[in-house]
Amino acid sequence: GAVVSQHPSWVICKSGTSVKIECRSLDFQATTMFWYRQFPKQSLMLMATSNEGSKATYEQGVEKDKFLINHASLTLSTLTVTSAHPEDSSFYICSAGQDRGAGQPQHFGDGTRLSIL
Amino acid sequence: AQKVTQAQTEISVVEKEDVTLDCVYETRDTTYYLFWYKQPPSGELVFLIRRNSFDEQNEISGRYSWNFQKSTSSFNFTITASQVVDSAVYFCALSEGRGTSYDKVIFGPGTSLSVIP
Repeated sequence: GAVVSQHPSWVICKSGTSVKIECRSLDFQATTMFWYRQFPKQSLMLMATSNEGSKATYEQGVEKDKFLINHASLTLSTLTVTSAHPEDSSFYICSAGQDRGAGQPQHFGDGTRLSIL
Repeated sequence: AQKVTQAQTEISVVEKEDVTLDCVYETRDTTYYLFWYKQPPSGELVFLIRRNSFDEQNEISGRYSWNFQKSTSSFNFTITASQVVDSAVYFCALSEGRGTSYDKVIFGPGTSLSVIP
C-alpha cells in the first residue's frame, strides 16, 4: 500500500535553531500534502496545505514565517521550523493524498517529535 | 463550519468488554466524509474506516463496527470483546468536498481508551 515516510522521527535541539522535517511519498506522487501539529494529549491541528509547485495554504493563526513549507517535487514536502523555541515543541505529522477518485483516505507519516531545549 | 465532537475524553474498560466511542459532527455540506483513526502510544495514525454521507449502512469489520446516523449527526464506533492491544487514542474526523484525498480533514479531540487486562 501507499507509504508516507517522515524524517526525522525525533529531534532535540537548542532554542534558536531551525529544524527541517521531511515528508516523502515513497510509492506514489502527491500533489498535495498536509502538515499537522499535535500537542500532548490533544488532537491533530491542521497547520497548512502544501501544494507542489506553489505556495502553501496556511490555517488561521499559523505563522507563515515561522513554519516554512516547501513542496518542490511530487514526492517531497518539507516543513522548517525557524528559530525554534520551547513552545514549538510538539509532534508534527504529515499526510499525503493518493487520489484515485473518491473514496481514498490520506496516508499519514509516522510523525516527528520535536523537543526544543 | 465543520466541527467534530468526541464527548468521551477517557474510557477504561476491562478486557473482553464491549465499548462504544461516540462521535458527533457538524457540517453544512450535504457531501462529506467521516473517518476513524487509531493512534497507539507509538504515535502513528492508523486508518480504520471512511464513510461518505450518502452511505448510512452500518459496517462491521471483525471486532469493530460503526453506526452512522445522519439524523443525529453521529458516527459511533464500537469495539466488541476489547483487547489490551486496543488501548490507544481514537480520533473521529470529517472532511467536506469531493471526497478526494486532497480535501482537508478536521479531527475531533480524541478519546483515550484503556483496556485493562
